[in-house]
Amino acid sequence: AQTVTQSQPEMSVQEAETVTLSCTYDTSENNYYLFWYKQPPSRQMILVIRQEAYKQQNATENRFSVNFQKAAKSFSLKISDSQLGDTAMYFCAFTAPNAGNMLTFGGGTRLMVKP
Amino acid sequence: DAMVIQNPRYQVTQFGKPVTLSCSQTLNHNVMYWYQQKSSQAPKLLFHYYDKDFNNEADTPDNFQSRRPNTSFCFLDIRSPGLGDAAMYLCATSRGYVTSNQPQHFGDGTRLSIL
Repeated sequence: AQTVTQSQPEMSVQEAETVTLSCTYDTSENNYYLFWYKQPPSRQMILVIRQEAYKQQNATENRFSVNFQKAAKSFSLKISDSQLGDTAMYFCAFTAPNAGNMLTFGGGTRLMVKP
Repeated sequence: DAMVIQNPRYQVTQFGKPVTLSCSQTLNHNVMYWYQQKSSQAPKLLFHYYDKDFNNEADTPDNFQSRRPNTSFCFLDIRSPGLGDAAMYLCATSRGYVTSNQPQHFGDGTRLSIL
């Protein structure tokens, strides 16, 4: 079974600063996909960034980037130039084609961006 | 503009009174999912449909049922809601099983309260 662990239940960051959210996972699969989802308060869960396990290059989407360390089974999310609108729950998620194809979510990290 | 639409946003029902939550999609995706999300927790998959094929998670209570009359619509029926069923219910879709190119798209959710 796959597990996803987010060790930081809550974090805060000052506006315009950089913050890193950690995520580790456990799997015996070699082919899999990793995601970060953002869920603002009372709003829709949206995809922030995605990574294929076979790609060594870290994914980047504007101010969001990941540090994917396959050997360490680590997939951290870096948010640069934090904005008030980044305040949300962030969920790390994993799926593998040979392991049920369903998303396994971490427990979430609540991020507060302070003005 | 919304692609996964959940109605209503807020639902209140009485203990033991059946309730139905609805989800529709304009994406023409093959897979539709229902998740239960309790406060500050990760979403928990209840079941999913791949086209007309229904797939129940092993630990989903019998109290929860689902129907998918066509590609666009999927319903969650709670036959006899208990206080422990108060939660946010999320509907999601994906074109096929999830890959990095086929992520899940979520609706806004329906928050269910039990009196």
